[in-house]
Amino acid sequence: GNSVTQMEGPVTLSEEAFLTINCTYTATGYPSLFWYVQYPGEGLQLLLKATKADDKGSNKGFEATYRKETTSFHLEKGSVQVSDSAVYFCALSDLRDDKIIFGKGTRLHILP
Amino acid sequence: EAGVTQFPSHSVIEKGQTVTLRCDPISGHDNLYWYRRVMGKEIKFLLHFVKESKQDESGMPNNRFLAERTGGTYSTLKVQPAELEDSGVYFCASSQAFRGLNTEAFFGQGTRLTVV
Repeated sequence: GNSVTQMEGPVTLSEEAFLTINCTYTATGYPSLFWYVQYPGEGLQLLLKATKADDKGSNKGFEATYRKETTSFHLEKGSVQVSDSAVYFCALSDLRDDKIIFGKGTRLHILP
Repeated sequence: EAGVTQFPSHSVIEKGQTVTLRCDPISGHDNLYWYRRVMGKEIKFLLHFVKESKQDESGMPNNRFLAERTGGTYSTLKVQPAELEDSGVYFCASSQAFRGLNTEAFFGQGTRLTVV
């Protein structure tokens, strides 16, 4: 079945550091890929998405590229801020059903 | 426009008691989903409503869990009787399109359930 694996956290970085959170997936079809973020005290929010191979999703300085050859969707940001501290979830959705499959989440701490 | 709202935000109950969680989706959204995150683990799918019908309930852990969506509007998730392993954060989400290419699901803030 479909699954998502993302790097274990927590990840602690200093402000302005470069961020990478790895995500790989297993899917039998052609899924759409997502990154969701949960800020402290808030619900899950869609951060970015990509619907086909080689698509790049981007939002708020974050980027992720849909790599079919490596089945990956790594999240990157060139210069993180304290306000980026949150839990990040990689996820996929298969067109054959409407379930979203999530990874375990990666907690990110950014130090000032 | 109001987002997905969930009640209560937190609930602490004793083992063996009953708890009912409520989700109000975004108005007009036919799809409603329940998910659960147990501490430190992935967010797992529980079930999916299309309007008032259960489209997929393959993620429901056992028969202690009962979900309803009367009239295709708000939904409730009842846990009876609650067990310690039911503790976690229960998320509700809604979306507009069915099997749409770029369907976006909007999530509520979640209900944190603690069974002691």
